[in-house]
Amino acid sequence: QVQLQESGPGLLKPSETLSLACTVSGGSISSFDWSWIRQPPGKGLEWIGYVYYSGSTNYSPSLKSRVTISIDTSKNQFSLRLSSVTAADTAVYYCARVLRRESTVTTNFYYYYMDVWGKGTTVTVSS
Amino acid sequence: SYELTQPPSVSVSPGQTARITCSGDALPKRFAYWYQQKSGQAPVLVVYDDSKRPSGIPERFSGSSSGTMATLTISGARVDDEADYYCYSTDISGYLYVFGTGTKVTVL
Repeated sequence: QVQLQESGPGLLKPSETLSLACTVSGGSISSFDWSWIRQPPGKGLEWIGYVYYSGSTNYSPSLKSRVTISIDTSKNQFSLRLSSVTAADTAVYYCARVLRRESTVTTNFYYYYMDVWGKGTTVTVSS
Repeated sequence: SYELTQPPSVSVSPGQTARITCSGDALPKRFAYWYQQKSGQAPVLVVYDDSKRPSGIPERFSGSSSGTMATLTISGARVDDEADYYCYSTDISGYLYVFGTGTKVTVL
């Protein structure tokens, strides 16, 4: 049974760079795609982006200029970097495994969705 | 940008049926996915590809989609089903993924 564990600093100052890692246990990171999602206090879920097993990425347009998601197969980890953080980036950050399903209707169209999630890690941005 | 709109709250008595809707312009051509999030916990996938249930999810959870609206139905709701529920899908391009606004389900 695959398990995911987020790790990284819980407190940052404005303008710093958020760096989180997600360690995958119970399975190979090379077999799947992976995702980061966040949830500000008292608010809904926000998709941040995907990293595909090939290393290519897909980011939310609202964060694209500040975000990098990468994969390290040697450590069975994938990472999130978010630059120039502000108080608005305060949230619980979740990592998740992504399943890819090919559409039966549209040629070369794939769906991506999360099936296994980490417990989440709280990141607070405050001066 | 792309948006999925859900009602903020749904209340139901134990044993009754709760229906949670999710509205989005691309839903006629794109699958919807549903996540359950209990207080202080990570989300759990309860429906994928509009209407399929992952292993281990009770049969009382079902999904459907028609036109621009997807629906999660909880038949015979239990107190344990109290949670926030989020739909999830992609826009017509297939590159932008979004969560719905979320619905708080109360069973009392």
